Amino acid sequence: KQEVTQIPAALSVPEGENLVLNCSFTDSAIYNLQWFRQDPGKGLTSLLLIQSSQREQTSGRLNASLDKSSGRSTLYIAASQPGDSATYLCAVSLTSLGSQGNLIFGKGTKLSVKP
Amino acid sequence: GAGVSQSPSNKVTEKGKDVELRCDPISGHTALYWYRQSLGQGLEFLIYFQGNSAPDKSGLPSDRFSAERTGGSVSTLTIQRTQQEDSAVYLCASSLAGPPGDTQYFGPGTRLTVL
Repeated sequence: KQEVTQIPAALSVPEGENLVLNCSFTDSAIYNLQWFRQDPGKGLTSLLLIQSSQREQTSGRLNASLDKSSGRSTLYIAASQPGDSATYLCAVSLTSLGSQGNLIFGKGTKLSVKP
Repeated sequence: GAGVSQSPSNKVTEKGKDVELRCDPISGHTALYWYRQSLGQGLEFLIYFQGNSAPDKSGLPSDRFSAERTGGSVSTLTIQRTQQEDSAVYLCASSLAGPPGDTQYFGPGTRLTVL
């Protein structure tokens, strides 16, 4: 059974700081890995998607890396802003649909960026 | 265009009552997914539809939960004889095709509170 773990569960940083969120998964047989953002009362917004054959993806101040063999991914946020405050979820996509579905989520890291 | 919409946004019910949650996917998306997000837990897959059929219902937590999709569009998740442990945010997502790897777009969720 695939399990996804995110560390830390919560993080508070001052504005302008660079930060790293961590995600690990137990089964390396994944199709891709996604990082989502969830704001209170809102749905999930996809930030970055890394295919299993890729090592990293970048979008603006965000950079996500994937090391499939070690079962790890990181989300790097540069020059953090108060508007980055949200819960960040990591999810791995399995190659087939099963009782877990095919998108397995971690419990998230709640980020707070203080002005 | 319009994203995934869900209704109601909030639902408070008494233990033992039945509830219906509705999801309107993005127009043209053939795949539809239901997830549950309980306090302190990650997103838990419930059920997936490809068109009007659900290939795998084993993610539903008990036989009190059922879902249907009609016309390849709107889906309804029904919870019968609600229990307090059913309290959670129920999220719906849709994708153009289906798993694996197809990007899922999430709705804002329905927050269910069972008293």
